[in-house]
Order: sequence, then C-alpha cells, then structure tokens
Amino acid sequence: GQQVMQIPQYQHVQEGEDFTTYCNSSTTLSNIQWYKQRPGGHPVFLIQLVKSGEVKKQKRLTFQFGEAKKNSSLHITATQTTDVGTYFCAGGYNFNKFYFGSGTKLNVKP
Amino acid sequence: GAVVSQHPSRVICKSGTSVKIECRSLDFQATTMFWYRQFPKQSLMLMATSNEGSKATYEQGVEKDKFLINHASLTLSTLTVTSAHPEDSSFYICSARVIAGNNEQFFGPGTRLTVL
Repeated sequence: GQQVMQIPQYQHVQEGEDFTTYCNSSTTLSNIQWYKQRPGGHPVFLIQLVKSGEVKKQKRLTFQFGEAKKNSSLHITATQTTDVGTYFCAGGYNFNKFYFGSGTKLNVKP
Repeated sequence: GAVVSQHPSRVICKSGTSVKIECRSLDFQATTMFWYRQFPKQSLMLMATSNEGSKATYEQGVEKDKFLINHASLTLSTLTVTSAHPEDSSFYICSARVIAGNNEQFFGPGTRLTVL
C-alpha cells in the first residue's frame, strides 16, 4: 500500500531554535497536507501544497513540496512554546485519499 | 472553521458486542468522509473512505464485515464495530471534506473505544 515516511519521530528544542520535519513518499503525490495535533486534541489543518516545487509561508512556518512531488518539509523558525504538538504530513493520492506520515512530536523548552 | 462532531466520545463495551460511532458535519455538507484509527502516540491509519450514497472503500487489511460504514446523508457517516474484541480497542477519528474546497479535512474529536 501507499506509504508516507516522516522523520524525525521526536524533536526537543530550546525556545528560539528552529525545527524541521520531513516527509517522503514512495510514489508521486497529487498533493500534500500538513496538520498539527496538540496533546489530547484532534488534527488541525495547516496547509495544502499542490504544485511541484511549491513553497508556502505562514508567519514562522515554511512549507515546501519537492520538485518530484514525493517529499515535503515543514520548517519552523524561532520556535515558541505554543508550537508544541505533533506535526503530521498527509500525502494525497489522486486528490482523493490521504495517508498520514508517522508524525513528529515537537517539544519546546522555555 | 467547519465543525465535525463524533458521538460517543468514549465507549466501553463487552467483547462480542457491536458499537456504533457517528460522525456529523455540523455546518457544511460532506460528500466524502474518512475513518481513521489512531493508536497511542502513533499516526492516523486510514481505514476507509466513505462516500455519500455509495459503498465505502476500505483500505487493505481492514475487514469490511467487521467495520461497517454507512454514509446515509451529506452530513452523517457511521462506523459500526461488529463483534468487538479487545484488539479493536483504539481511538477512532473521522474527518469530512467539504464539497467545494481545497481538499481540507476537518477532523472530529475522536471516539475512544475500550473493549473488555
């Protein structure tokens, strides 16, 4: 079946440091979405990337979609304690169904 | 944003019984709803894609006779875990996709199922 790999599994950073999580698919994606799940909560949509090589920014968050549409990354500049949570990518196939990566749990020390 | 509800939020049942979980889109219509299973500290595993008025599409390894999905209207999908066993204990979460949108999924709060 379809697989989306995500690394790292955990990341502990000091407040103010940067953070990056990476996703990789074994097959070409139609699109990719990123979600954030706070402890005890449900995933919340952050963004969707569709075009090859696309880069989108949301304040301190930068999202990239690879040229081959097989990989993606989320980078957070100058992390804050409010960034704590698990970040999931969800690889889209035929714009229909999505397979989630394993998630990266971010912990930010104040 | 759009709101998706799930009911019940928690359920404890005896082995061998069936449990129904409802997923509702409260303020929008969703032709497609997805059912996921999430184990503790793990990712969401797609179980099935539920389309209004048609049969659900199940992922490989998911027993359709065990996990019955019905999508009777544009705002309601149900997942019934039949003859539940302790290994079915998990966090079940649904999501709904708006008809006219950017494929964004709105997730319900999830249902914690414990089978004794």
